[in-house]
Amino acid sequence: NAGVTQTPKFRVLKTGQSMTLLCAQDMNHEYMYWYRQDPGMGLRLIHYSVGEGTTAKGEVPDGYNVSRLKKQNFLLGLESAAPSQTSVYFCASSALAGPSSYEQYFGPGTRLTVT
Amino acid sequence: AQKVTQAQTEISVVEKEDVTLDCVYETRDTTYYLFWYKQPPSGELVFLIRRNSFDEQNEISGRYSWNFQKSTSSFNFTITASQVVDSAVYFCARIISSGSARQLTFGSGTQLTVLP
Repeated sequence: NAGVTQTPKFRVLKTGQSMTLLCAQDMNHEYMYWYRQDPGMGLRLIHYSVGEGTTAKGEVPDGYNVSRLKKQNFLLGLESAAPSQTSVYFCASSALAGPSSYEQYFGPGTRLTVT
Repeated sequence: AQKVTQAQTEISVVEKEDVTLDCVYETRDTTYYLFWYKQPPSGELVFLIRRNSFDEQNEISGRYSWNFQKSTSSFNFTITASQVVDSAVYFCARIISSGSARQLTFGSGTQLTVLP
């Protein structure tokens, strides 16, 4: 039981390049989330998904796209990276219902630098 | 946007001191969920506690305790007899849900340093 995993752990991009971050969870959770963490700003929600084939915008969705083709995976895409997207990205998942349905389980994070 | 405010950016204490981390939230909703997470220097986020808006009971878990007061919209976290291993960034967060939609807001975090 690996919980929530993220690939890659580190990445350096040049401005304008594209990339996809992969999040996988093995807890059969319906909800999955992508956050970014910047110094002094806590975590801000980018997009989230309620289930396979669904996505919804969070607080800071611009410049990102997401897809949830399989229940266990949630992809975050940057089509044209900008230096402002330099950040640490966290994926999380949570159950749809039940006593712990709002508790999020986080991945280890991906440190992205855009030069 | 309804904010979650952690006014203490950094706190430094000496080992064995008690320390309280403050969290104040804004909400127009009657149903919401409050959380505390710990982020040690290694970077992962560790869940500490969840509190529902309709449950104002305070909670104690070992050296950790939480004081939830709806009247002041506060959800404060106290560490008793702090230890060096408690050094971390602590985040307070709130979730509001409406149907399947969720609004998640994190505070900006409090960096706690416990000195030996």
